[in-house]
Amino acid sequence: TQLLEQSPQFLSIQEGENLTVYCNSSSVFSSLQWYRQEPGEGPVLLVTVVTGGEVKKLKRLTFQFGDARKDSSLHITAAQPGDTGLYLCAGDNNDMRFGAGTRLTVKP
Amino acid sequence: EAEVAQSPRYKITEKSQAVAFWCDPISGHATLYWYRQILGQGPELLVQFQDESVVDDSQLPKDRFSAERLKGVDSTLKIQPAELGDSAMYLCASRKTLLAGVVYFGPGTRLTVL
Repeated sequence: TQLLEQSPQFLSIQEGENLTVYCNSSSVFSSLQWYRQEPGEGPVLLVTVVTGGEVKKLKRLTFQFGDARKDSSLHITAAQPGDTGLYLCAGDNNDMRFGAGTRLTVKP
Repeated sequence: EAEVAQSPRYKITEKSQAVAFWCDPISGHATLYWYRQILGQGPELLVQFQDESVVDDSQLPKDRFSAERLKGVDSTLKIQPAELGDSAMYLCASRKTLLAGVVYFGPGTRLTVL
């Protein structure tokens, strides 16, 4: 059983569409990280959110940390084929526990 | 740019054999993690070190898995004997210290048990 639940598990969209993926938990975290992972590679950090209610933007990606620091969302605007990958969230309370990930496919 | 090094990148072995994976974290990083990632799932924490001490190994199957970080620098994860269900990507990660700094991942070791 994953400590963090990510949804949807799979998402396939056309280039130019917007999307949101979610990361939910019943636990409170000191911080939460979002990673993207390509096949056969290790995860690469996208962002760390620390404060409840925090919003961070990274080009077309917008990350939000829930007020209670239990959940987070990732919104991608005008998705591109290069955004294809596995998006993972990880809650940090000294240990780093991951969700199962959302596998995103953006079709040209 | 400093990176977490892992070797080998790929390992194929037969069940009941012993396998070992090596990780060299970024210099100066006190915290080291070993994860197992089964295809289609997120990484599962196996063991966490702070310097040479184990902080958390509650998810490590201790009947067949062992991990050490004798000098608080590089680390080895061993499986003996390997089982078919151990086929997975084994990821090593490091950070400066607990709850501080970015967590950097290595490229992983892809293990196939036949």
